[in-house]
Amino acid sequence: GQQLNQSPQSMFIQEGEDVSMNCTSSSIFNTWLWYKQEPGEGPVLLIALYKAGELTSNGRLTAQFGITRKDSFLNISASIPSDVGIYFCAGQLNGNKLVFGAGTILRVKS
Amino acid sequence: DTGVSQDPRHKITKRGQNVTFRCDPISEHNRLYWYRQTLGQGPEFLTYFQNEAQLEKSRLLSDRFSAERPKGSFSTLEIQRTEQGDSAMYLCASSRDWNTGELFFGEGSRLTVL
Repeated sequence: GQQLNQSPQSMFIQEGEDVSMNCTSSSIFNTWLWYKQEPGEGPVLLIALYKAGELTSNGRLTAQFGITRKDSFLNISASIPSDVGIYFCAGQLNGNKLVFGAGTILRVKS
Repeated sequence: DTGVSQDPRHKITKRGQNVTFRCDPISEHNRLYWYRQTLGQGPEFLTYFQNEAQLEKSRLLSDRFSAERPKGSFSTLEIQRTEQGDSAMYLCASSRDWNTGELFFGEGSRLTVL
């Protein structure tokens, strides 16, 4: 089945640093999405990407849809303590279910 | 609150018992999804509905699991004869018809099977 590989598995960074995480797949997707989950909550959508090569920003977050349609990355600039959480990439092929990666755990030292 | 609502938030049960979870989606959303999440993993797809029609079921959804959305509004997920391996967070999400992958998740129902 389709699998998404996220890296790194976890990060412990200093407040103010930039963060980069990525997601790769053996299958192509038509849509890539990034979600954030905090303890005891469901995932919340951060950014959605719909075209290969697309680069999209949402505040301090920037994400790109890889041109091969098999990968995506998420950057967070100038991290702050409330960025703490688990970041999931998700791919969608034909407008139906999403396939999620295992997540990147982000911890921020203030 | 107009978000996705799930009930109960937590359920502890003994092995062999049946449990049922309820999900109320965002009112104008026609699609409703159930996902399961275990510790250290991302959500895994179980099933989804377009209005009252169940359009896809994962192989993860064994015959002990059944989901319904009888009037195209709220949905229930029932697990019969629970096993310890069923312990997980069960997440419900909803989206509009023109699904862009923008799912809105509820806070989840955490199941612990003793």
